[in-house]
Amino acid sequence: EAGVAQSPRYKIIEKRQSVAFWCNPISGHATLYWYQQILGQGPKLLIQFQNNGVVDDSQLPKDRFSAERLKGVDSTLKIQPAKLEDSAVYLCASSLGWGAANTEAFFGQGTRLTVV
Amino acid sequence: GDSVTQMEGPVTLSEEAFLTINCTYTATGYPSLFWYVQYPGEGLQLLLKATKADDKGSDKGFEATYRKETTSFHLEKGSVQVSDSAVYFCALSDLNTGFQKLVFGTGTRLLVSP
Repeated sequence: EAGVAQSPRYKIIEKRQSVAFWCNPISGHATLYWYQQILGQGPKLLIQFQNNGVVDDSQLPKDRFSAERLKGVDSTLKIQPAKLEDSAVYLCASSLGWGAANTEAFFGQGTRLTVV
Repeated sequence: GDSVTQMEGPVTLSEEAFLTINCTYTATGYPSLFWYVQYPGEGLQLLLKATKADDKGSDKGFEATYRKETTSFHLEKGSVQVSDSAVYFCALSDLNTGFQKLVFGTGTRLLVSP
């Protein structure tokens, strides 16, 4: 079974520039997560989709971050404009979803963003 | 809200030593509990899980028991190897809102020397 695919693996941008990350979850997984992992910290949930609807974006800085999940499959996360403190690894994960608290979330390898 | 607290790292051990990484949680519902591992340069992968009180999750010699009375899910291994060096994350999954909500601790780095 193919895993969660993310691209790019690495990105370096200057502050105030924009950047986009792409995620393709495991086929059939209804739930998709975007996490931000700052060096030395645990993953922090930015946004959670159930199919193509947002179920939690309470920690997403909406003045600069946006995300969408087209047709309930692929997802993109965008930052515009980027700040220095956005330097982190952005992790995408997927799981079966609804009513399945005991199911595993599968993670992609992440995109390491450096803002200079 | 839901939260997970892990012991601070790094944990430094010699090969074949006994490992314990403490994890406690706070949840409004009745969560499932997980340990994820992150090897250098890689994404997170599930190590083990437990879905109800007194369940024991285990894999690759690691084990953890869901203790509802102490709200804990400590990770243990009887004899660590150099290849176990990684960052370990405790996490909980709660259906309190109707959706699976996955919350992570801050992670504990394990360094095992030969």
